[in-house]
Amino acid sequence: KAGVTQTPRYLIKTRGQQVTLSCSPISGHRSVSWYQQTPGQGLQFLFEYFSETQRNKGNFPGRFSGRQFSNSRSEMNVSTLELGDSALYLCASSLGQWQVNTEAFFGQGTRLTVV
Amino acid sequence: SQQGEEDPQALSIQEGENATMNCSYKTSINNLQWYRQNSGRGLVHLILIRSNEREKHSGRLRVTLDTSKKSSSLLITASRAADTASYFCATDLNAGGTSYGKLTFGQGTILTVHP
Repeated sequence: KAGVTQTPRYLIKTRGQQVTLSCSPISGHRSVSWYQQTPGQGLQFLFEYFSETQRNKGNFPGRFSGRQFSNSRSEMNVSTLELGDSALYLCASSLGQWQVNTEAFFGQGTRLTVV
Repeated sequence: SQQGEEDPQALSIQEGENATMNCSYKTSINNLQWYRQNSGRGLVHLILIRSNEREKHSGRLRVTLDTSKKSSSLLITASRAADTASYFCATDLNAGGTSYGKLTFGQGTILTVHP
């Protein structure tokens, strides 16, 4: 069974630009969550999508957005990039039956560097 | 803010020794998961323990959960140099189903196993 696939693995962008990251979950998983990892703040939850609907959102500015497609693949977008957005962005895949089983499997991440 | 607090922050041992990491959390949970992360890469799911379980084993891993003390421990027996990584505990919130997709991570324990 293929794991969670995130593309691209590395990105370098300039301040003010926007970026789109992609995540393909494990086959059969309908929930995709996104996390930001930085040395200072650790792992922080961005948002979760299930069946194309955002069910939960973390405490991030509106510049961070996402969507999910009918095949459960998800994208996240960051507009007007700031230096502080430099981070490892991780995507997690799960069945989505949150109260029953919250086992989540992560991709390798996208390392975003904003210069 | 991070719900999980991990202890110690760093642990250095010799190959063959056992490594114990602890995690404390603040609110009631459905389950607790442990992850490993190698040098800025993705998170590898190690084990999930449910709130009604007290102990779980997987290979060289042993996880305990004490819900009365809101704490968990991860024991790696007969450690190997390849176990060198950061280890994170992650909890969901038992909050009536409103925590969809949101795992709250501790700051992690950096484990170094010397050959």
